[in-house]
Amino acid sequence: ELKVEQNPLFLSMQEGKNYTIYCNYSTTSDRLYWYRQDPGKSLESLFVLLSNGAVKQEGRLMASLDTKARLSTLHITAAVHDLSATYFCAGPYSGGGADGLTFGKGTHLIIQP
Amino acid sequence: KAGVTQTPRYLIKTRGQQVTLSCSPISGHRSVSWYQQTPGQGLQFLFEYFSETQRNKGNFPGRFSGRQFSNSRSEMNVSTLELGDSALYLCASSSLDNYEQYFGPGTRLTVT
Repeated sequence: ELKVEQNPLFLSMQEGKNYTIYCNYSTTSDRLYWYRQDPGKSLESLFVLLSNGAVKQEGRLMASLDTKARLSTLHITAAVHDLSATYFCAGPYSGGGADGLTFGKGTHLIIQP
Repeated sequence: KAGVTQTPRYLIKTRGQQVTLSCSPISGHRSVSWYQQTPGQGLQFLFEYFSETQRNKGNFPGRFSGRQFSNSRSEMNVSTLELGDSALYLCASSSLDNYEQYFGPGTRLTVT
């Protein structure tokens, strides 16, 4: 069973600043996911990273995957208040193959003016 | 294309009762996964179905069960409800041609 560890779990930052959320996972995994969740809402897919060295960007968010280090990062550039949410990383429960995801505990991000 | 739908959206049950939740995946998606989200334990994987077969299961007691029908719609059942079963239950569907998992709005279950 894959284990996923995120840090930090809580992050308060100012608008305009940059920051990175880290996601370490325990065993070989063929893909890594990032999701966003707003209070009281479901999960919104941000990125699916499928290979070593994969980098994806959407607006002020950029995600990368290093399978050798078993590490994924979510980088926030010039944060704006609308990015305040909880961010989760996740990987396949069994490391690959059949679907079903193991999630990290989430990073609660607050962006203040 | 319609998204993943879950019914009901909210549910209040009493300890000891049982409950059935329903999930309709995106058209053409054959994989459905279920998750439980609580403030204390976070998001936890329950089980995953593909073409009516359970392919994977998380660490939950046998009170939690599920099934998938030939049209890919899925149900999960929780028997003998406990207070700790109060949670947001999410389902997600995915297709064979990409690894994206699309989540439904969830069913919020309260056990009193």
